[in-house]
Amino acid sequence: GENVEQHPSTLSVQEGDSAVIKCTYSDSASNYFPWYKQELGKRPQLIIDIRSNVGEKKDQRIAVTLNKTAKHFSLHITETQPEDSAVYFCAASLSSGYALNFGKGTSLLVTP
Amino acid sequence: EAQVTQNPRYLITVTGKKLTVTCSQNMNHEYMSWYRQDPGLGLRQIYYSMNVEVTDKGDVPEGYKVSRKEKRNFPLILESPSPNQTSLYFCASSSLGDEQYFGPGTRLTVT
Repeated sequence: GENVEQHPSTLSVQEGDSAVIKCTYSDSASNYFPWYKQELGKRPQLIIDIRSNVGEKKDQRIAVTLNKTAKHFSLHITETQPEDSAVYFCAASLSSGYALNFGKGTSLLVTP
Repeated sequence: EAQVTQNPRYLITVTGKKLTVTCSQNMNHEYMSWYRQDPGLGLRQIYYSMNVEVTDKGDVPEGYKVSRKEKRNFPLILESPSPNQTSLYFCASSSLGDEQYFGPGTRLTVT
């Protein structure tokens, strides 16, 4: 089955800096790559996703890049703010709305 | 309001006492799924369902059962809970081609 590796497991940055989280996946048939943000005590919520026919997608301060050849994708957060502090999960799937295979998460701490 | 609901939100029980965690969605989604979340292990899929009467095992199905008799409901059943099933459980639903929406979570402690 699909195996998703996520790094780093913890990340601490200063407010205003950029943060990058990287994931690799094993199944070349995977076509859908969402990123979820989970605040303490809350449910995971989708923040951005990318499909395999696209190499990069941006939404304000958040961007995701995908390299299908190398089977890795990354989350980039620019101009970080304290409210970005949370656990971020990457996932891979054959299709959106289908079974998601999650990475183990990255705990991001943004210090003022 | 479109949502996924779970009940109960918190549960403390004893080893061997059967329990059911309910999950319901009001978005007419075909796909529903159960995950457990443990520190350092991320979210692992327990069971999923592509539609009514269609269920399949995820990565960690041992000790769990599910049923999908109605499109909106997908209960998770622990017939004989054990302490290693102490975890945070999330139900999720989606339409094929759309994002997955998560319920608020159920924190289960088995003593």
